[in-house]
Amino acid sequence: NAGVTQTPKFQVLKTGQSMTLQCAQDMNHEYMSWYRQDPGMGLRLIHYSVGAGITDQGEVPNGYNVSRSTTEDFPLRLLSAAPSQTSVYFCASSYSGTVLSSGANVLTFGAGSRLTVL
Amino acid sequence: SQKIEQNSEALNIQEGKTATLTCNYTNYSPAYLQWYRQDPGRGPVFLLLIRENEKEKRKERLKVTFDTTLKQSLFHITASQPADSATYLCALGTGRRALTFGSGTRLQVQP
Repeated sequence: NAGVTQTPKFQVLKTGQSMTLQCAQDMNHEYMSWYRQDPGMGLRLIHYSVGAGITDQGEVPNGYNVSRSTTEDFPLRLLSAAPSQTSVYFCASSYSGTVLSSGANVLTFGAGSRLTVL
Repeated sequence: SQKIEQNSEALNIQEGKTATLTCNYTNYSPAYLQWYRQDPGRGPVFLLLIRENEKEKRKERLKVTFDTTLKQSLFHITASQPADSATYLCALGTGRRALTFGSGTRLQVQP
């Protein structure tokens, strides 16, 4: 049971390049999300999905695309990278029907992907 | 707009003392509040959840309080250890919707 796996761990892009950050979970979680973390600004939600085929925007969705074709995978696409997208990106998933509390969104995070856009 | 405030300054305490971290929020009526721990270079890890109708939750050396009138949560670590040094994030949520996170407070426990 690997939990939430993110690749790559580090990436350097030039302005205008595109790339995909991969996220996979093996816990059969229906909810998956992408956050970015910047110094002093905490974790900000980019996009999320409540199940295969369903995605929605979070707080800072501009410049990013997502899709959810399977329960396990939730890739994040940067269409045309900009220096403002330099950040650490975290993928997180949850299964709300846990023994901890039904209906509450308790997240399991990946290790993060550090992206630098020059 | 919704706002969550955590003390951005690092909290430095001596080993064995109780660490108390604060999370304040405005323009929000959360159904529950969570605390996460984040170590450098790692993703956050869930610690505790407290619901709006609960005043206090405990887990081993951790204690969380939730005051919906003051719009504040306090996170306590008793008998703190150097291994407790990390950044602690609070997060608010409503049902199964996305969590909103604070920026975190860094705790440094001196031996």
